[in-house]
Amino acid sequence: GDSVTQMEGPVTLSEEACLTINCTYTATGYPSLFWYVQYPGEGLQLLLKATKADDKGSNKGFEATYRKETTSFHLEKGSVQVSDSAVYFCALRGAAGNKLTFGGGTRVLVKP
Amino acid sequence: SAVISQKPSRDICQRGTSLTIQCQVDSQVTMMFWYRQQPGQSLTLIATANQGSEATYESGFVIDKFPISRPNLTFSTLTVSNMSPEDSSIYLCSVGSAGGRSDTQYFGPGTRLTVL
Repeated sequence: GDSVTQMEGPVTLSEEACLTINCTYTATGYPSLFWYVQYPGEGLQLLLKATKADDKGSNKGFEATYRKETTSFHLEKGSVQVSDSAVYFCALRGAAGNKLTFGGGTRVLVKP
Repeated sequence: SAVISQKPSRDICQRGTSLTIQCQVDSQVTMMFWYRQQPGQSLTLIATANQGSEATYESGFVIDKFPISRPNLTFSTLTVSNMSPEDSSIYLCSVGSAGGRSDTQYFGPGTRLTVL
């Protein structure tokens, strides 16, 4: 079945550092890929998405490129802020249905 | 994107009791979903709530434990029945508009449940 693997946290960074969260997936066909973010005490928010190979999703300074050859969708930000402290979830939606399959989540802590 | 509210936002319940969680959306949506997020874990889909038909449950989840209602296109409830401490989780409602793999799902704020 479909699965998503993302790097374990916590990831601790200083403000203005670069952030990369690795995400790889296993799926049949051509899934859509998503990054969701969960700020402390809040629900999940969609951060960005990509629906086909080589698509780049971007939002709030974050980017991720759908790499079919490496089955990856790594999340990157060039300069993080304290307000980026959150848990980040990589997810996929398979071609066959509506179910979202989530990775385990990566907690990011940005220190001033 | 849809605005989704859930009630209650949190609750502490006794073992053996049941809790019904409500999910309200500000617009009509085709697909509604219920997820569970156990402490420190990722999200797992419990079921898809279809308006006018029975909910579709994922492997490991059964209707007797998690009955779901979907009376119209803007509302759904999830009941956690005969609760045990293992049911302590955040329960999240999610909605999608048209279905299909490119459709985005939006999430409610969640209901934090603690079972003593």
